[in-house]
Amino acid sequence: DSGVTQTPKHLITATGQRVTLRCSPRSGDLSVYWYQQSLDQGLQFLIQYYNGEERAKGNILERFSAQQFPDLHSELNLSSLELGDSALYFCASSPRTSGGVQETQYFGPGTRLLVL
Amino acid sequence: AQSVTQLDSHVSVSEGTPVLLRCNYSSSYSPSLFWYVQHPNKGLQLLLKYTSAATLVKGINGFEAEFKKSETSFHLTKPSAHMSDAAEYFCVVRSTGRRALTFGSGTRLQVQP
Repeated sequence: DSGVTQTPKHLITATGQRVTLRCSPRSGDLSVYWYQQSLDQGLQFLIQYYNGEERAKGNILERFSAQQFPDLHSELNLSSLELGDSALYFCASSPRTSGGVQETQYFGPGTRLLVL
Repeated sequence: AQSVTQLDSHVSVSEGTPVLLRCNYSSSYSPSLFWYVQHPNKGLQLLLKYTSAATLVKGINGFEAEFKKSETSFHLTKPSAHMSDAAEYFCVVRSTGRRALTFGSGTRLQVQP
């Protein structure tokens, strides 16, 4: 158990809908990262927040957005969902140091999203 | 730019025999390298990491990896495979100044009884 929690575990929804995925980082971790794992794209970095502020962006679509709250939990919002958004979404957190190359990212169990 | 190539998408070994999962990386700066494992329907677990200290890195569950700068490789090995090692393994790179991890495409390890 990494200490990172994600809810819900599974989510089934329809095209055009909007969903919110939630992540609670390990106690004391200030950085939260979001990743998408799909069959055709593999594991891809989406976005990072550090202590409430956006720090880095990866291959995140404009239909997707995220935020980190004062209690450090984070939410990933996916809107106007398409069939291709079906994937496993991981959240990871890392220790207090920000941007340090040596810091380890600890992954949550993921949320499996199925868009029908 | 940074990238990772896992040379085998699928590796099959017999229980008790050695495991070798191959990884080559490309990085503009001194990288940190990681191996993560993903068991079926589970999240990602860190096996080991290299961060410019010793080139031979020992991880959990008997795995180790050797950083070879001249070959830009970071292969994962284990002397004796166990049935519980069957999983997907990801080689991951992170360069100085970059916050995100870049994942390889994964190697699925199958362990035959």
